[in-house]
Amino acid sequence: AQSVSQHNHHVILSEAASLELGCNYSYGGTVNLFWYVQYPGQHLQLLLKYFSGDPLVKGIKGFEAEFIKSKFSFNLRKPSVQWSDTAEYFCAVNERTSGTYKYIFGTGTRLKVLA
Amino acid sequence: DAGVTQSPTHLIKTRGQQVTLRCSPKSGHDTVSWYQQALGQGPQFIFQYYEEEERQRGNFPDRFSGHQFPNYSSELNVNALLLGDSALYLCASSLVGRDGYTFGSGTRLTVV
Repeated sequence: AQSVSQHNHHVILSEAASLELGCNYSYGGTVNLFWYVQYPGQHLQLLLKYFSGDPLVKGIKGFEAEFIKSKFSFNLRKPSVQWSDTAEYFCAVNERTSGTYKYIFGTGTRLKVLA
Repeated sequence: DAGVTQSPTHLIKTRGQQVTLRCSPKSGHDTVSWYQQALGQGPQFIFQYYEEEERQRGNFPDRFSGHQFPNYSSELNVNALLLGDSALYLCASSLVGRDGYTFGSGTRLTVV
């Protein structure tokens, strides 16, 4: 079974600092990779996704992620964070079985940005 | 607006009781998946319904059951509640064969 590891459980940054959140997955085959964000009291929202092609993926709100197949990694980055980026971030892979997909999530990284 | 509607938003139950959570999928979606998100954890897959049948199931006991109706809406039932069932229960809808999920805001279940 696939698994997803997020190494940073809590991150505190000041505004304008750069952000990198780590994500590693276990599956050796073809994977689809995702980053979701969950703002306080809100639903999970898709930040970006990787299926194939350019390993550098750009998402919403200035976020990007790089897929490095040799390292089984899909790290999330943002050059300059804002106070409004305070949220919990989840990395996920999806697994296809019998024509349907299910998502496997990491444990999440709680980001706090200080104004 | 998430497009996926879950009810209720909050619920408090006593150990041993039974609970039913409801989900209306995004318009045009036909597949509903349920996830449990315990405090400090990522969402864990419970099961998925398509064409009113359970298609996939995660590592959850039989106390967790579900149903999908002809209009694609779904229910999650949990029997004999345990304190450890306290969590945020997320519903996600999608179109069969496609991997784009839309999540609801969840139902916060507290078992006392």
